Amino acid sequence: ETGVTQTPRHLVMGMTNKKSLKCEQHLGHNAMYWYKQSAKKPLELMFVYSLEERVENNSVPSRFSPECPNSSHLFLHLHTLQPEDSALYLCASSQDMVTNYGYTFGSGTRLTVV
Amino acid sequence: QKEVEQDPGPLSVPEGAIVSLNCTYSNSAFQYFMWYRQYSRKGPELLMYTYSSGNKEDGRFTAQVDKSSKYISLFIRDSQPSDSATYLCAMSGGSGAGSYQLTFGKGTKLSVIP
Repeated sequence: ETGVTQTPRHLVMGMTNKKSLKCEQHLGHNAMYWYKQSAKKPLELMFVYSLEERVENNSVPSRFSPECPNSSHLFLHLHTLQPEDSALYLCASSQDMVTNYGYTFGSGTRLTVV
Repeated sequence: QKEVEQDPGPLSVPEGAIVSLNCTYSNSAFQYFMWYRQYSRKGPELLMYTYSSGNKEDGRFTAQVDKSSKYISLFIRDSQPSDSATYLCAMSGGSGAGSYQLTFGKGTKLSVIP
């Protein structure tokens, strides 16, 4: 399997639930990212990991908690979300953090908070 | 003022038409300019990448960057129904922390009608 794989593809969760999104890349990249894509808004960078270390947290609420156990896997743990958190969550990877192009995106997890 | 402005459309054209997609930006430090294509229920995929000003051609696609006007364009010649997707511009560059981060436009939804 190649590229960036995200699971699940769809997720519906209540505001009191705890769930996790998973991302796996098979490209040998050293940097991984979480983005949020909402309707009629630009992609919003949430977190950046480089060699398994978090290097960026763009003022994301604490109800979103990332985890990068190794350079191939990235998780986004979710708890007590709000309806406005419903969006498409995209994982991406790149060769390294300073690569200004060549991001490879996964197909995303469509999250609905009810 | 938003950093990157992109008309969200939707844009509908007949098959075979020339399509012009555009973005304007305000940050003069941007040096790397990209176009991503996103099909429905998929993640964005890199289509074209340009460094600094100038043109770049790849088959039916031409990317143009005019840094003096802070304006970038993507032209699609002989458009096909398979070109129907949302096109996202993205850019990065400059110096300092966060200069590697991509800043995206909202995306333009294109439909090519057979």
